[in-house]
Amino acid sequence: NAGVTQTPKFQVLKTGQSMTLQCAQDMNHNSMYWYRQDPGMGLRLIYYSASEGTTDKGEVPNGYNVSRLNKREFSLRLESAAPSQTSVYFCASITGGADGELFFGEGSRLTVL
Amino acid sequence: AQRVTQPEKLLSVFKGAPVELKCNYSYSGSPELFWYVQYSRQRLQLLLRHISRESIKGFTADLNKGETSFHLKKPFAQEEDSAMYYCALSTIQGAQKLVFGQGTRLTINP
Repeated sequence: NAGVTQTPKFQVLKTGQSMTLQCAQDMNHNSMYWYRQDPGMGLRLIYYSASEGTTDKGEVPNGYNVSRLNKREFSLRLESAAPSQTSVYFCASITGGADGELFFGEGSRLTVL
Repeated sequence: AQRVTQPEKLLSVFKGAPVELKCNYSYSGSPELFWYVQYSRQRLQLLLRHISRESIKGFTADLNKGETSFHLKKPFAQEEDSAMYYCALSTIQGAQKLVFGQGTRLTINP
């Protein structure tokens, strides 16, 4: 049981390049999330998807787009990367209920030069 | 707006000493609070949730609605407790979302 799988684990981009982070979960969870982790800022929500076919903005959505391809997959796209998007990105999915538990991927470290 | 504040970015204690990681929240509704932990080279994972009122790895956390706090405590720190700790608040407004604090890096010195 793989849980939440993210690819790639590491990526270096030049300013202006585009890329897509892929995420898949095999736990049959409805809701999925993309967070970024920055020193001193904690985890900030970029986008989330409550269910297949729906996506919503989180706290820091500018510069990103997402696609909920199906129940398993939720991708994050940077159309024109900027140095401010250098970060560690985490995908997560959640069990049901108000006290649901987030399951995280291993993270993707992105550097934009 | 929902907000979680962890006032200490870094916390260092000696092995065997008590540990308290502070967390304060701002939320107008009934809060669901959690502590998540990230050990070195491991994934972020749930440590405990207030609703279950359990002790995990010797850690406990009590929700204090009057002080809007959810501090994490352990009476005797162990070296394996060294990690990054995040306090999180769950909100449901159409969809469930977790808002995280800034995190506290805990180091246990031998």
